[in-house]
Amino acid sequence: GENVEQHPSTLSVQEGDSAVIKCTYSDSASNYFPWYKQELGKRPQLIIDIRSNVGEKKDQRIAVTLNKTAKHFSLHITETQPEDSAVYFCAAFQGNTGNQFYFGTGTSLTVIP
Amino acid sequence: DAGVIQSPRHEVTEMGQEVTLRCKLISGHNSLFWYRQTMMRGLELLIYFNNNVPIDDSGMPEDRFSAKMPNASFSTLKIQPSEPRDSAVYFCASSFSGGVSEQFFGPGTRLTVL
Repeated sequence: GENVEQHPSTLSVQEGDSAVIKCTYSDSASNYFPWYKQELGKRPQLIIDIRSNVGEKKDQRIAVTLNKTAKHFSLHITETQPEDSAVYFCAAFQGNTGNQFYFGTGTSLTVIP
Repeated sequence: DAGVIQSPRHEVTEMGQEVTLRCKLISGHNSLFWYRQTMMRGLELLIYFNNNVPIDDSGMPEDRFSAKMPNASFSTLKIQPSEPRDSAVYFCASSFSGGVSEQFFGPGTRLTVL
């Protein structure tokens, strides 16, 4: 099955700096890559996603890039703010072998004011 | 739509007791996922269903855990007997399997087994 690895496990940045979280996947059949943000005590919620026919997607301060050849995708947060502090999970999905999402192990991001 | 609904939100029980967690899918969704989250292990997939059928239960820790979908919109996760190491937050999530689509998480049930 699919194996998703996520790095780093923890990340601290100064407010205003950029943060980058990277994930790799193993199965070239995966075709959908969502990113979830989980604030303390809350549920994971989708913040951005990308499909395999697109190389980059941006939504305000958040962007995701996908390199299908290398099987890796990254989350970029620019101009970080304290409210960006949370745990971020990447995931890979392949609809042709069931409907399972494979999650990374999470990155705890702390934005220091 | 109210989103994915889970109950109870918090459960405290004693070791050896039976625990039942409940989940209601978003209307129109046909895939249901149960996850367990702890500090040590992160987010673990326990089991998932497509159209009421269990597809992959390899993440279920042991026979003390069982999950059912008695109908298309509702699922239960049962732990019998419960143990302190089962203490965790249990999330269910739903999605529509007709195409590539987002997975929506419920608010979670925080389980504490004393």
